[in-house]
Amino acid sequence: QKEVEQNSGPLSVPEGAIASLNCTYSDRGSQSFFWYRQYSGKSPELIMSIYSNGDKEDGRFTAQLNKASQYVSLLIRDSQPSDSATYLCAVTEENNNDMRFGAGTRLTVKP
Amino acid sequence: EADIYQTPRYLVIGTGKKITLECSQTMGHDKMYWYQQDPGMELHLIHYSYGVNSTEKGDLSSESTVSRIRTEHFPLTLESARPSHTSQYLCASSEYGLADYEQYFGPGTRLTVT
Repeated sequence: QKEVEQNSGPLSVPEGAIASLNCTYSDRGSQSFFWYRQYSGKSPELIMSIYSNGDKEDGRFTAQLNKASQYVSLLIRDSQPSDSATYLCAVTEENNNDMRFGAGTRLTVKP
Repeated sequence: EADIYQTPRYLVIGTGKKITLECSQTMGHDKMYWYQQDPGMELHLIHYSYGVNSTEKGDLSSESTVSRIRTEHFPLTLESARPSHTSQYLCASSEYGLADYEQYFGPGTRLTVT
């Protein structure tokens, strides 16, 4: 069974701090990696995608991918209370429609 | 921005009723998906489709069925609802291309079977 693992949290950070969310995956054939944000009672919203090793920045968000270590992370700089949500890591294989989601990490940003 | 719609948003229905959850997208995406998610729990893929006349079962065993007669429409049907079907149902779609495999989600249908 191919797995996507995340620390369920809750992860609590003060406002203005950097929140670091981590995800590991078991399938070495994985090619595409995504971070979704899901507010309570809402549907997941895509916030970042990353396909190659290294960092990808978009505003306050940075996704980091290390395929050798089978590890993908999301950094949120200058965390705001509005960032409080569950963050889902998702992984797909090459030429495969099977997107596997982690169970999510619940982030709380305290004012 | 993704344009994917689900109706109804909330549904309370009695045991044994037949129900259809609607999902439509206006982006021309070939791929569509149905997920089931209980509160605070992970997403489980129950059905997906590569395109018109294509339907596949996902990881989670489900008593529901789907159809894909039109590209934009991917309804999910429960022939006889049971309390164990109470959950949130999320529809998603994706486009094959440069942004391959990015899935966009609809707002969800929260189903309660009494």
